[in-house]
Amino acid sequence: DAGVIQSPRHEVTEMGQEVTLRCKPISGHNSLFWYRQTMMRGLELLIYFNNNVPIDDSGMPEDRFSAKMPNASFSTLKIQPSEPRDSAVYFCASSLEGRGGEQYFGPGTRLTVT
Amino acid sequence: GQSLEQPSEVTAVEGAIVQINCTYQTSGFYGLSWYQQHDGGAPTFLSYNALDGLEETGRFSSFLSRSDSYGYLLLQELQMKDSASYFCAAPGAGSYQLTFGKGTKLSVIP
Repeated sequence: DAGVIQSPRHEVTEMGQEVTLRCKPISGHNSLFWYRQTMMRGLELLIYFNNNVPIDDSGMPEDRFSAKMPNASFSTLKIQPSEPRDSAVYFCASSLEGRGGEQYFGPGTRLTVT
Repeated sequence: GQSLEQPSEVTAVEGAIVQINCTYQTSGFYGLSWYQQHDGGAPTFLSYNALDGLEETGRFSSFLSRSDSYGYLLLQELQMKDSASYFCAAPGAGSYQLTFGKGTKLSVIP
């Protein structure tokens, strides 16, 4: 199995630009999670999907952030417009339903907003 | 909500044994997970304890005491490659989302 795939691995953009991060979960996993990691705040859950349906987006910092999962094998996290404080590593993870304790993370996208 | 506390840093000697503790306060408890993260890498799943007791996986073991709201990760025969951050985490209702502790940075020295 290829594991969770994320793209791009690195993204550098200017403030105000739109950023789209992509994720392909492990085949057969029906729960998908987006996290953000910074030194100050650690690992934070932004949103999670179960069977392609958003279950809890209370971790999404504000309306500039949106996430979609149009099918079982693809999800996007979009930031529009981006701000310097959005600079972080964004991880996507997937798990089998009901086994949220055992999540498998992608390599992450390191986002830098200047 | 959920809150997990763990030491920020631990240093241990190569070949030794180290224990990383985690205490938690949760509104509902479904188990305790442990993840390893090397600098610049992604968190990697190590173990999950749903029941009290010790779970062993090679050099790593994880323990849970629900009555004490406490768990630990035990690393034996430490190797330099074990230098990493270790996170305890607890899944929420429905066993979906995880809340992570702040992580313990383990440094293994020769």
